[in-house]
Amino acid sequence: EAGVTQFPSHSVIEKGQTVTLRCDPISGHDNLYWYRRVMGKEIKFLLHFVKESKQDESGMPNNRFLAERTGGTYSTLKVQPAELEDSGVYFCASSRTPPGHFPSPLHFGNGTRLTVT
Amino acid sequence: DAKTTQPPSMDCAEGRAANLPCNHSTISGNEYVYWYRQIHSQGPQYIIHGLKNNETNEMASLIITEDRKSSTLILPHATLRDTAVYYCIVRSYSGGYQKVTFGIGTKLQVIP
Repeated sequence: EAGVTQFPSHSVIEKGQTVTLRCDPISGHDNLYWYRRVMGKEIKFLLHFVKESKQDESGMPNNRFLAERTGGTYSTLKVQPAELEDSGVYFCASSRTPPGHFPSPLHFGNGTRLTVT
Repeated sequence: DAKTTQPPSMDCAEGRAANLPCNHSTISGNEYVYWYRQIHSQGPQYIIHGLKNNETNEMASLIITEDRKSSTLILPHATLRDTAVYYCIVRSYSGGYQKVTFGIGTKLQVIP
């Protein structure tokens, strides 16, 4: 099966501009997650979709970040307007609905490296 | 989710077994132990998971102590491509969908 794909792999924008990151999860995976790694820091959770609904958005840093998952397939993460501290690598992950009481493994994409100058 | 403690770094000679420890002394009965790794510039990669029994797959083995307060990930024959940061994570599934929380992990350096 195809893995989680993210686009673009790199993006360089100026402060104040808008950037939209895209994630295509593994087909059939209802759960989609966004994570971010800022230089030198740990990988941090941003939010979690179950199909098209936001299950948990507790990690979203502020209202400059907007995530959508229309139709429960691919997802976009828009940053508007971008600030210098938004630079980092943004990872997307997906997982299937777990059977029973077993949490399914997350499958990650290779990320989008965002640089805000 | 329970907190985990891992050594920040480890070295292993190529071809030898790499044993990566993880302490999760506050783990509860419904929490699984998961291991992921992140090879430089790639996304985190799922390795293995277990509840209370030892587990083995094509990548690694997971040994969980009887009291479940600690575990060890074993890479039986480490190669240079196994150089990565390894994350030990505990997760529960309590009817909701639990996010994965990453800590600092263990940076494993496989030495030629």
